[in-house]
Amino acid sequence: QQQVKQSPQSLIVQKGGISIINCAYENTAFDYFPWYQQFPGKGPALLIAIRPDVSEKKEGRFTISFNKSAKQFSLHIMDSQPGDSATYFCAAGAGGTSYGKLTFGQGTILTVHP
Amino acid sequence: KAGVTQTPRYLIKTRGQQVTLSCSPISGHRSVSWYQQTPGQGLQFLFEYFSETQRNKGNFPGRFSGRQFSNSRSEMNVSTLELGDSALYLCASRLGAAAEAFFGQGTRLTVV
Repeated sequence: QQQVKQSPQSLIVQKGGISIINCAYENTAFDYFPWYQQFPGKGPALLIAIRPDVSEKKEGRFTISFNKSAKQFSLHIMDSQPGDSATYFCAAGAGGTSYGKLTFGQGTILTVHP
Repeated sequence: KAGVTQTPRYLIKTRGQQVTLSCSPISGHRSVSWYQQTPGQGLQFLFEYFSETQRNKGNFPGRFSGRQFSNSRSEMNVSTLELGDSALYLCASRLGAAAEAFFGQGTRLTVV
């Protein structure tokens, strides 16, 4: 019940295209859903996060869509750029004192071709 | 503002040895969490410390332990190293009750 399932494992898009990564969870106690971006040799960097009280959050070219009833959330990267090529992780956290324990998806390797 | 600092960046140890990794959180952050990242298992939660107390613990054997000091710096110790402990160990810090976690660059541990 603690799992977060992420798909696809890898994704190739052309420059200017839309990248879409999906995640699904089972634990209804989760109330915080961040996305992280990781470049080789670096730690994960917080990209954008959403809570269940909103269905969509947009920051620049990055948008999270959240479907509470389906227990699914997704990351959309608009106008994808070669510099977006990285590994993306979705994660989920439960409330209160459990925010320090994030459950991560398996990651998606995104390649954006010029 | 300095980010999360982990030292050392790289370590090579022999099977059976023990190792200590260090994490300095962002100034003012009191929560420090540790994660293990491997190609096969992905990012897995080890434990979290808040105000020098372990608050959450993942499903790792007792060979993995940690502690936090009064200045919020944290150390992680792995005893009796096994080949399977080879991984990138990541530390993340949070500001109090805030959910946003910020990661360091990690310590790459190789066990030979």
